[in-house]
Amino acid sequence: KNQVEQSPQSLIILEGKNCTLQCNYTVSPFSNLRWYKQDTGRGPVSLTIMTFSENTKSNGRYTATLDADTKQSSLHITASQLSDSASYICVVSSNTGNQFYFGTGTSLTVIP
Amino acid sequence: ETGVTQTPRHLVMGMTNKKSLKCEQHLGHNAMYWYKQSAKKPLELMFVYNFKEQTENNSVPSRFSPECPNSSHLFLHLHTLQPEDSALYLCASSQGGGPDHQPQHFGDGTRLSIL
Repeated sequence: KNQVEQSPQSLIILEGKNCTLQCNYTVSPFSNLRWYKQDTGRGPVSLTIMTFSENTKSNGRYTATLDADTKQSSLHITASQLSDSASYICVVSSNTGNQFYFGTGTSLTVIP
Repeated sequence: ETGVTQTPRHLVMGMTNKKSLKCEQHLGHNAMYWYKQSAKKPLELMFVYNFKEQTENNSVPSRFSPECPNSSHLFLHLHTLQPEDSALYLCASSQGGGPDHQPQHFGDGTRLSIL
């Protein structure tokens, strides 16, 4: 069964600290993996898209990694800011079937 | 401003009402999507339109009826909804309708509450 699991479910960190969010998937065949940021009351916004051949991709203070062999991805946030407080959603795309498989998200809260 | 506008932002309706959700994208994309987002659950893809043609219908109940008159506009017509249909309904668009490497751009959603 094609699934995407994210951990932790929620996370609280101090402003300025780093954190890492995890995404494990069983989707096959794999096309790409996306990370989205969703602020409260807003729609998701794309952070990165990674294909099979890409191991790491950065977008400012956000760095995503992908290990296609172990089917794991992580999103690392450096020097967190209060505005990083949001839900982070991992989405894995497949070339067949439902095409988009969403995780339930990690809720990140950054406190001063 | 995401380039995808959804109206209304909030909607409260009774189970016997008929209402419509509207989505408009200003990005020149050719694919549009409807998603349902319920608390503690992953986003659920409902419908996909590519060049105005419906290419995906994920076993959505017939009380949800999509309409895509052109590549820039997408509607979701609602009738005889159930309390479990209360959720955030998100519209998205992308350049290309498959799981290619183009990001989806989401609107801010319509928060729907069924009484």
